[in-house]
Amino acid sequence: QKEVEQNSGPLSVPEGAIASLNCTYSDRGSQSFFWYRQYSGKSPELIMFIYSNGDKEDGRFTAQLNKASQYVSLLIRDSQPSDSATYLCAVNQAGTALIFGKGTTLSVSS
Amino acid sequence: GAVVSQHPSWVICKSGTSVKIECRSLDFQATTMFWYRQFPKQSLMLMATSNEGSKATYEQGVEKDKFLINHASLTLSTLTVTSAHPEDSSFYICSARDPRRGPHTDTQYFGPGTRLTVL
Repeated sequence: QKEVEQNSGPLSVPEGAIASLNCTYSDRGSQSFFWYRQYSGKSPELIMFIYSNGDKEDGRFTAQLNKASQYVSLLIRDSQPSDSATYLCAVNQAGTALIFGKGTTLSVSS
Repeated sequence: GAVVSQHPSWVICKSGTSVKIECRSLDFQATTMFWYRQFPKQSLMLMATSNEGSKATYEQGVEKDKFLINHASLTLSTLTVTSAHPEDSSFYICSARDPRRGPHTDTQYFGPGTRLTVL
């Protein structure tokens, strides 16, 4: 059974702080890794994807991948109240459907 | 990012009726689309993978005769919930893979979702 694990949270951080979201996966053959953001009552929105070990930065977001540890993380710098949402980690092998974690709820207080 | 639309955005129907949900890729051709269901405060559950021109692949536990999927064109997939019952009330979301990003990327873009309420 291929699994993606996330801490459900809630993760609470003050405005301006760094939020760190973590994800582990069980399938060593996973090749693509995604972070989606989902606001309550809305569908998921792609934030970032990463394929290679290391860091990938896009604005205030940094995705980190460590395939040896089967670990993916998302850092959000200068967190804003508008970042409050559920963050979904997803992984797959090429051409297959995404496997989603249950999501981590982030709450950014002003 | 790529744009995926869904219609309707919400629907209320009586028990026993059928409901059709459309998923369209607006600015790209999607050979593969996916249908998910999400119950309140739960994660996305993949229902089926829809491939253009062929039969959909259903996940274990999903009744293919109840959830009919048709992917007749490269920009349109439909999900029909047949003989809907209150337990089918959920948030149905489609996604489409954007092939323009090359064979090694599987970025999926989600439609806005359809909220189904069965009375």
